[in-house]
Amino acid sequence: TQLLEQSPQFLSIQEGENLTVYCNSSSVFSSLQWYRQEPGEGPVLLVTVVTGGEVKKLKRLTFQFGDARKDSSLHITAAQPGDTGLYLCAGAPGNQFYFGTGTSLTVIP
Amino acid sequence: DTAVSQTPKYLVTQMGNDKSIKCEQNLGHDTMYWYKQDSKKFLKIMFSYNNKELIINETVPNRFSPKSPDKAHLNLHINSLELGDSAVYFCASSLRSGSGSNIQYFGAGTRLSVL
Repeated sequence: TQLLEQSPQFLSIQEGENLTVYCNSSSVFSSLQWYRQEPGEGPVLLVTVVTGGEVKKLKRLTFQFGDARKDSSLHITAAQPGDTGLYLCAGAPGNQFYFGTGTSLTVIP
Repeated sequence: DTAVSQTPKYLVTQMGNDKSIKCEQNLGHDTMYWYKQDSKKFLKIMFSYNNKELIINETVPNRFSPKSPDKAHLNLHINSLELGDSAVYFCASSLRSGSGSNIQYFGAGTRLSVL
C-alpha cells in the first residue's frame, strides 16, 4: 500500500474533453504538490496547495486540497495534446517526501 | 544552463559491474536527492543530503552509496549491479529540507539497464 494513491492510473481522452485526477491518502499533509513529467524528462512542479479546502487555478488546470488535508484533485478543462504526460501528486507528512502512484494522461488530437 | 544535470543519460551494463551516476546543481540549493522510478513509473526516494550530510536513507541495499563532495554535487555509486536495479534514476535539489512545500527541481534522469 502506497502512502498516496492516485486514480485513475491511466487516462486516454479526446482533445477538448474534461478530466479529473484524484490523489488520496489516510495521512494528513501540511501541503501537497502536483508535478507533471513528460517522457524522457524529470517531473516539473505545477502547484503547491497548503490550506485545507484551497483551490488554485493555473490556466485550464484547477487544483483542490481536501478540507481534511488528506486528499487533492486536479481538474483539466478542455484538454489539449500538450497536457499529455504523467501527473504526480507529492507530499511530506513529516520530513520525508513521498510521491503518489501517478496518473498517465494521453490526450488524442 | 541546465539547473540540475545528471550524467550519463543512458547506462547499459552487465550484471555484477560497478557504475556511477553524477549529478550537479547550479541553483545554490542546500538539499539534493536521489530517486528511483520503476517500470510502473512509481517515484521513490532513496537518499537525501543537506549541505553534504545524509539526512534521509531509505531502505536501499548497501550496494548503493551516495557521495556528496560539496553541496552542488551528489553522485550515486552502485556496486555489483543486479537485474532489479534497472530503472530510471533521478537527481533533484531543493532550497532546503524538512518542508513539504519545498520545490524540487529534477534532472532529466539516467536510464539504467542491467543485462
